[in-house]
Formats: sequence, C-alpha cells, structure tokens
Amino acid sequence: SQKIEQNSEALNIQEGKTATLTCNYTNYSPAYLQWYRQDPGRGPVFLLLIRENEKEKRKERLKVTFDTTLKQSLFHITASQPADSATYLCALGNNDMRFGAGTRLTVKP
Amino acid sequence: GAVVSQHPSWVICKSGTSVKIECRSLDFQATTMFWYRQFPKQSLMLMATSNEGSKATYEQGVEKDKFLINHASLTLSTLTVTSAHPEDSSFYICSARAAAASPETQYFGPGTRLLVL
Repeated sequence: SQKIEQNSEALNIQEGKTATLTCNYTNYSPAYLQWYRQDPGRGPVFLLLIRENEKEKRKERLKVTFDTTLKQSLFHITASQPADSATYLCALGNNDMRFGAGTRLTVKP
Repeated sequence: GAVVSQHPSWVICKSGTSVKIECRSLDFQATTMFWYRQFPKQSLMLMATSNEGSKATYEQGVEKDKFLINHASLTLSTLTVTSAHPEDSSFYICSARAAAASPETQYFGPGTRLLVL
C-alpha cells in the first residue's frame, strides 16, 4: 500500500538555523510533490511545488529537493524565524493528492 | 489569489443529528472539489472527490450514505454528516480546483471543526 512518511513528528531548532524536513514515500509514483504549511485549527497553505522531472526548487528562504530514485523530498527553511513555527505537510499527487502526517516545527528565539 | 471559504468554521452538535458544511470558491469556478478529514496530529485523509453536476467519488472506507456530498454549482459543494456520532468529531477541510487547471492546483478552505457530543 502507498505510504508517505515525514521523518519526525516534531522538530525543534534555534532561530537562525536551517530546518530540514524529510518526506519519504513508498509504492507510489507521483507526478508532483508539494509542501504546505498548516497552523493550528487552519487549513493548509501552499508553499512550493516540485515536479517529478525537477531536482530542486527555491522560493525566498525555502528550498525543496525531489529525488524520485530515493523516493524522498527534503524541505529546507534557511535563517529560520519563530514565525516559521508551524506544521509542515508534504503532499504527493497525480490526479489527487495524498498527504503525509506532517512535522511540527518549533523555532526557538 | 483564489479563495475558498467554509461555513461554519466550527460546529457542536448532539449525537444523532445531521450537520451540513459548505465549501465555496469565492472568485473562481471550481469544477472539482475535494473533501478531507483530519484527526489530531494526523494527516489530511481524502474522503471524496466531487465534480460539479455528478455524483461524488468516495475513497475506500468512507460511507457515502453517512457523508453526503452535493456539488450542485460551480462555486458550492456541501458535505452533510448524517446521524453524527462522537467518532465523527474531526476537522473537515475542503479544497477546490478550477476548470482547466492542472491537477496540482488546489486551493484549500480554512476548515470546519466538528464536535459531536
């Protein structure tokens, strides 16, 4: 069966450091992968999309990589800030999207 | 940008009653809407996909007679939880995709928290 695993339930880092979140999947060949931010009690907010034929995407302090051989995506937030504290979800898709359980990131001042 | 709203944002109901949740695309026409359910500290689980004017397609394990979905217009889809029970308490989130949009383009609503007593 398809599985989408995000490396850890929670990640704590110090302000200014780079946060790296991992998304691994099995039994799935997605055409694209997305990363979302979700704050408590709110819907997901789209951050970045990367397609199966792309290796890396950047947007401001965010970077995502996509390795279809390893079946893994890495999501990086550089120069992290307390305002980056949230749950980050990866989602894999073809015609619909399947989500990982998320990693709760806490950036401490 | 595209905006999707949900109403109500939260609802408390008694066991056995039915609850209707609305999902609206405010500034675009959504030919396809998706309904997700999210339990605490868990991922969003796709419940069903609805296309305007046709019956919804439910994911395996989701009871279509319990979770009634209507997508009667290009801007509105409704999810009715019939005869709700405490185990139906969850966070329900919809998303919408515009006509001719690529499959990865979904806009999410803010979610509806349902508590069944």
